[in-house]
Amino acid sequence: GDKVKQSPSALSLQEGTNSALRCNFSIAATTVQWFLQNPRGSLINLFYLVPGTKENGRLKSAFDSKESYSTLHIRDAQLEDSGTYFCAAEDSNYQLIWGSGTKLIIKP
Amino acid sequence: GGIITQTPKFLIGQEGQKLTLKCQQNFNHDTMYWYRQDSGKGLRLIYYSITENDLQKGDLSEGYDASREKKSSFSLTVTSAQKNEMAVFLCASSISTTNSDYTFGSGTRLLVI
Repeated sequence: GDKVKQSPSALSLQEGTNSALRCNFSIAATTVQWFLQNPRGSLINLFYLVPGTKENGRLKSAFDSKESYSTLHIRDAQLEDSGTYFCAAEDSNYQLIWGSGTKLIIKP
Repeated sequence: GGIITQTPKFLIGQEGQKLTLKCQQNFNHDTMYWYRQDSGKGLRLIYYSITENDLQKGDLSEGYDASREKKSSFSLTVTSAQKNEMAVFLCASSISTTNSDYTFGSGTRLLVI
């Protein structure tokens, strides 16, 4: 099965609303990263996390290594938040294992 | 700030052709990576390199060669392009394999006709 499982696979939100994306791990993840792939295809690094939480503007992410999951919360969604969000977990061999992404569409 | 540059941005090849993708970074990062992304899927590691002249195979190395001629550059060769293949190849770099705070290039989009 998938070592890094992202949910939901796709999501449509009204502008101004809040949402949460989730990654569950079946590996012992040491760090987690969240990326946004924008509609032009570029990958933007959003967060690099050891266990704990980080916040940046309207985005907040948490990584719980004991419960093997990470979340990405989006507050007050804007049109430019549209794209595909990937999480990637680092395993004990320092390899990044990627989820298959959550496609997010923000509607005006 | 640094930059990671992939060339070409778009690549159209023919079945059976050998195709080379290039990646340059000026972060002075030790480790560089090549990933393949198929539509709607996560990224799969093809090759990575921890220093100049080093090569390590990833999950998807079959059908590819790579070369780390110098610290700042890492090239990937598709040894024999498959008909109707369509994917994005992403290059990334990090300070080391134990610090996986990655920076990505903007990708090379491959179409094989």
